[in-house]
Amino acid sequence: EAGVAQSPRYKIIEKRQSVAFWCNPISGHATLYWYQQILGQGPKLLIQFQNNGVVDDSQLPKDRFSAERLKGVDSTLKIQPAKLEDSAVYLCASSLFDKAGTEAFFGQGTRLTVV
Amino acid sequence: GDSVTQMEGPVTLSEEAFLTINCTYTATGYPSLFWYVQYPGEGLQLLLKATKADDKGSNKGFEATYRKETTSFHLEKGSVQVSDSAVYFCALRLSNTGNQFYFGTGTSLTVIP
Repeated sequence: EAGVAQSPRYKIIEKRQSVAFWCNPISGHATLYWYQQILGQGPKLLIQFQNNGVVDDSQLPKDRFSAERLKGVDSTLKIQPAKLEDSAVYLCASSLFDKAGTEAFFGQGTRLTVV
Repeated sequence: GDSVTQMEGPVTLSEEAFLTINCTYTATGYPSLFWYVQYPGEGLQLLLKATKADDKGSNKGFEATYRKETTSFHLEKGSVQVSDSAVYFCALRLSNTGNQFYFGTGTSLTVIP
């Protein structure tokens, strides 16, 4: 079974530039998550999709971050304009069901450095 | 609010030593509990889980027991190997908060030969 695919693996941009990350979840997984992981911290949820609808985006900085999940499969996360404090690893995850006992499967992440 | 507290690291052990990483939680309900492991440059991988009180999750020699009375889910391994060097995250997932995952801050483990 193929895992969660993310690209790119690494990205370096200057502040005020824009950047986009792509995620392809495990086939059949209805729930997709984007997390931000700052060095030395645990992942923090940015947005959760159920199929192509947003379940929770309460912690997404909507003035600069946006995300979409087209046709309930692939997803993109965009930052525009980027700030220095956006430097982090962005993790995409998916799960088969949106139930408490179901685990999430994570991609390898995209390491973003804003200079 | 719902949260997870892990013991701070880093933890350094000699090969074949006994490992305990403490995890306690606060939750308004009955969460499912997870341990994830993150190897350098990789995403998080599920190590084990438990979905109700007194359940024991186990995998690759690691185990953790869901203790409702002490709100804990401590990770243990009897004999660690160099290949166990990684960062370990405790997490909870609760149905009455939209099934969101709450992660601890992670505990870095280094095992030396």
